[in-house]
Amino acid sequence: GAVVSQHPSWVICKSGTSVKIECRSLDFQATTMFWYRQFPKQSLMLMATSNEGSKATYEQGVEKDKFLINHASLTLSTLTVTSAHPEDSSFYICSVPVTGLAQGYTFGSGTRLTVV
Amino acid sequence: GEDVEQSLFLSVREGDSSVINCTYTDSSSTYLYWYKQEPGAGLQLLTYIFSNMDMKQDQRLTVLLNKKDKHLSLRIADTQTGDSAIYFCAESTMNNAGNMLTFGGGTRLMVKP
Repeated sequence: GAVVSQHPSWVICKSGTSVKIECRSLDFQATTMFWYRQFPKQSLMLMATSNEGSKATYEQGVEKDKFLINHASLTLSTLTVTSAHPEDSSFYICSVPVTGLAQGYTFGSGTRLTVV
Repeated sequence: GEDVEQSLFLSVREGDSSVINCTYTDSSSTYLYWYKQEPGAGLQLLTYIFSNMDMKQDQRLTVLLNKKDKHLSLRIADTQTGDSAIYFCAESTMNNAGNMLTFGGGTRLMVKP
């Protein structure tokens, strides 16, 4: 089946540093990947749509320069949180649409980011 | 805009049935989904229903769709403690980038032994 691998599972970083999160489709190609953010006890909010070989599409209110997205290959998208601050602490999840699955989506296991 | 709403919390006893409800607003949604999220984990697709269906059953799961009222429900029969998790309904919608999922706020299901 369609498997998405997301790394790291958790990361703790100091304020001002940058953190890179990877999302890989293991057995299929993905021209599109979605990045979500989830605050504790809240729903998933779409941050951006990552497009292979082109610029990502960001949702309103999401800072492009803060959340850098690179989708350089058909199996890998990365989200870099630049100059992280404590308010960036959250659970980040990637998702990949899977054709043949009723337009469904498969999700990574998520990355818990804590900025101290 | 799109809006998907769910009740926040549901508590049931082991062996009982659980019914989680969801309302949505985008009548053009083609598919509606139910996802399960366990603590600290990603989302697991439980089931989905095509918008021209009224009901779908998959083992212990029954999905009912009332398209007129834009109401979706998930029934879990013989609920087990392992079913304790957060359940999200989601509808497929369109944004500038194409198809995307819009999630409800999630319903936390607690199953008491």
